[in-house]
Amino acid sequence: AQTVTQSQPEMSVQEAETVTLSCTYDTSESDYYLFWYKQPPSRQMILVIRQEAYKQQNATENRFSVNFQKAAKSFSLKISDSQLGDAAMYFCAYRTYRAGSYQLTFGKGTKLSVIP
Amino acid sequence: KAGVTQTPRYLIKTRGQQVTLSCSPISGHRSVSWYQQTPGQGLQFLFEYFSETQRNKGNFPGRFSGRQFSNSRSEMNVSTLELGDSALYLCASSLEVARNTEAFFGQGTRLTVV
Repeated sequence: AQTVTQSQPEMSVQEAETVTLSCTYDTSESDYYLFWYKQPPSRQMILVIRQEAYKQQNATENRFSVNFQKAAKSFSLKISDSQLGDAAMYFCAYRTYRAGSYQLTFGKGTKLSVIP
Repeated sequence: KAGVTQTPRYLIKTRGQQVTLSCSPISGHRSVSWYQQTPGQGLQFLFEYFSETQRNKGNFPGRFSGRQFSNSRSEMNVSTLELGDSALYLCASSLEVARNTEAFFGQGTRLTVV
């Protein structure tokens, strides 16, 4: 079974600084997608960034970028120029096609605090 | 366009009762998935519906069930509620045209079982 591990339950970063959230996953599949979702106190999950496993190039979305190491099964999220609005739970997720449908498997999350 | 709408936002039920939660997906989305979120277990997949058919189900007891209507709206039902069913239940909808298709989440229903 696929598993997703986020080893940092909580992290903090100074406003305007850079922080990296870690994620590792375990899979025997070769074709899959990886996502980082943000869950603010409003509880709504918001997609931050996605990465296709067959693409070597790391995905980037404005201040958010990933470091995707396929061989190491690692998918970390880097947030540059951190802002107060970045404070939230961040979930790493793995998506694949199984039993006739797409399914997301989530890590346990990392709570990010941003210090003014 | 309107996002994923879940109703109700909050619910308090007594052990042994049953509950029905509703999810209205984004217009045009035919896939609806349900997740249970608890502090201890995190986010766990419940089931996924596509065009009124359950395509996949997670490792949950038979007390958890769901359905999808012809307009893609979905409901999930939990019978004989237990204290451990207290959780945030999230619904996600997507177009399901490719593996990288984004899943859009609702704000969830917070269920408390007392």
